[in-house]
Amino acid sequence: KNQVEQSPQSLIILEGKNCTLQCNYTVSPFSNLRWYKQDTGRGPVSLTIMTFSENTKSNGRYTATLDADTKQSSLHITASQLSDSASYICVVSSNDYKLSFGAGTTVTVRA
Amino acid sequence: NAGVTQTPKFQVLKTGQSMTLQCAQDMNHNSMYWYRQDPGMGLRLIYYSASEGTTDKGEVPNGYNVSRLNKREFSLRLESAAPSQTSVYFCASSEYLDGLSYNEQFFGPGTRLTVL
Repeated sequence: KNQVEQSPQSLIILEGKNCTLQCNYTVSPFSNLRWYKQDTGRGPVSLTIMTFSENTKSNGRYTATLDADTKQSSLHITASQLSDSASYICVVSSNDYKLSFGAGTTVTVRA
Repeated sequence: NAGVTQTPKFQVLKTGQSMTLQCAQDMNHNSMYWYRQDPGMGLRLIYYSASEGTTDKGEVPNGYNVSRLNKREFSLRLESAAPSQTSVYFCASSEYLDGLSYNEQFFGPGTRLTVL
């Protein structure tokens, strides 16, 4: 069964600090891996998408890495801001229409 | 350009009642999707429509029906609601963006449904 596991389930960080979220997957076949940000009460918004040949991609203060051999990905948030408080969801795509979603990591940034 | 819109935002039903969740997108996307999101779980695909005139089952289709009314609109119907269908429902649309080999999905704001 295709699975996407994220850790930690939640974390609290101080404003200005960095943090790293982890994602392990067993999805096959693999097409691409996506990270989404979901604010409370809103729909997910795409942060990055990486294909098999890409091992890092950045979007502002967000940097995602992918190791397709070990089936692991990480999302690093640099110099966190209060607006980074959200759930971050790892998603692995097998094809255009079938996405496997992780349960998400809830990040709380405190002043 | 509103993106993906969903109505209603909130709904409370009694067991056995029926209702239709509406979704529309103004990005001229070919593909549309319905997901449900439950606490502690990832989003799960209910149905999708790869293009106007086609619909296919996703991971959890039981208890739901869909209609791709036209290219813009994709509705989800609960014929006889059950407490297990209490969830947050998200509609999404997707298209291949210029120069990309994958399609980007854009999500609506969600409908929060409670079945008593």
